[in-house]
Amino acid sequence: EVQLVESGGGLVQPGGSLRLSCAASGFTFSSYWMHWVRQAPGKGLVWVSRINSAGSITNYADSVKGRFTISRDNAKNTLYLQMNSLRAEDTAVYYCARDPTYGRFDYWGQGTLVTVSS
Amino acid sequence: NFMLTQPHSVSESPGKTVTISCTGSSGSIASNYVQWYQQRPGSAPTTVIYEDNQRPSGVPDRFSGSIDSSSNSASLTISGLKTEDEADYYCQSYDSSNPVFGGGTKLTVL
Repeated sequence: EVQLVESGGGLVQPGGSLRLSCAASGFTFSSYWMHWVRQAPGKGLVWVSRINSAGSITNYADSVKGRFTISRDNAKNTLYLQMNSLRAEDTAVYYCARDPTYGRFDYWGQGTLVTVSS
Repeated sequence: NFMLTQPHSVSESPGKTVTISCTGSSGSIASNYVQWYQQRPGSAPTTVIYEDNQRPSGVPDRFSGSIDSSSNSASLTISGLKTEDEADYYCQSYDSSNPVFGGGTKLTVL
């Protein structure tokens, strides 16, 4: 059974940093592109970032470019999102999601809440 | 930037059929696949339609997807509505290879 379990969310002050993790199991993690998608409270889904299966190609939404870094450790079956210079507008539930064919999402984690507030 | 526009909300009665639209802002929506995700309150999204009109295993055939190039839109149709279908629905495609989501449609089954 495919499972994606996010962790690392919490309350952080504006300007602070946080690292999210997504532990994958039930599939060959190293074969798939992976994404981060976020959802602000009461709002819609917004794509944040993606990484290719080898970890050599990354893309970011303009709103997080230069502040967030996506990475992965295929030996540990884990996806990461390093978030720096956090702003109030980064407050959201962050989901990791698997991409089976470049550009869509077939499995999602349960999400982890990031709250940026003083 | 490419955008996908959905109605904010739709409502229909149990047993009826509802269609949710997703209109592309530019270019041809038929150029890239469209997916549809269902999100119930407090839960992660799940796929109900992928690659325009394909259903994942386990999704009932009451759910169907289509593309209308003339209106540059995609549609999700749910027939034989059940109260369990009440949820938010998001369409998704891509812009210059980056994923793009519609704003979401709240389906109320009353």
